[in-house]
Amino acid sequence: GAGVSQSPSNKVTEKGKDVELRCDPISGHTALYWYRQRLGQGLEFLIYFQGNSAPDKSGLPSDRFSAERTGESVSTLTIQRTQQEDSAVYLCASSLSRREANYGYTFGSGTRLTVV
Amino acid sequence: GQNIDQPTEMTATEGAIVQINCTYQTSGFNGLFWYQQHAGEAPTFLSYNVLDGLEEKGRFSSFLSRSKGYSYLLLKELQMKDSASYLCAVRDGLKGIFGKGTRLHILP
Repeated sequence: GAGVSQSPSNKVTEKGKDVELRCDPISGHTALYWYRQRLGQGLEFLIYFQGNSAPDKSGLPSDRFSAERTGESVSTLTIQRTQQEDSAVYLCASSLSRREANYGYTFGSGTRLTVV
Repeated sequence: GQNIDQPTEMTATEGAIVQINCTYQTSGFNGLFWYQQHAGEAPTFLSYNVLDGLEEKGRFSSFLSRSKGYSYLLLKELQMKDSASYLCAVRDGLKGIFGKGTRLHILP
């Protein structure tokens, strides 16, 4: 696609429920990233994919968080047993590979998750 | 550890020049990026530096000193639409590590 697409744009869920967030990167972008941004805060790294592999999962806050990517395309971020502190905007970004490192990330518009 | 520092807020006047500083300490370095983020929107890419020196792009310029772990973003001829947060990010391998951002307020 022309840009990075994320769905849903907004999600309100009850504490304890599971949620699944989706990201469609730019076609041909081999690298895909998930970040979390709490209100008024900076971007917190969660995980990135190179192709379908996740070389760095160090940012996942707990084992309630998981992510996968298939076909070097769509990625889903799953949060199990959501807690109120999970409320944030979840941003997905994609980029070309290391060889084209001077390209920045292209971000999606994000999913605003509210846990009530 | 990984640390990126930038001022929380700055104020400048329309038509003026402003410099936003960023210092970093990261385990790896594959380039430094600046992004602009308007309230409620996703960040958009502004600039990239991997070698020391100044990169100019229209009204925006970005400078890097790797030995000092320092960068700045220079915005000239400020316009009201430049009111936004400016995020400094260091690429460590393929992973981007972001600072908390500098909120820039432009006064008429």
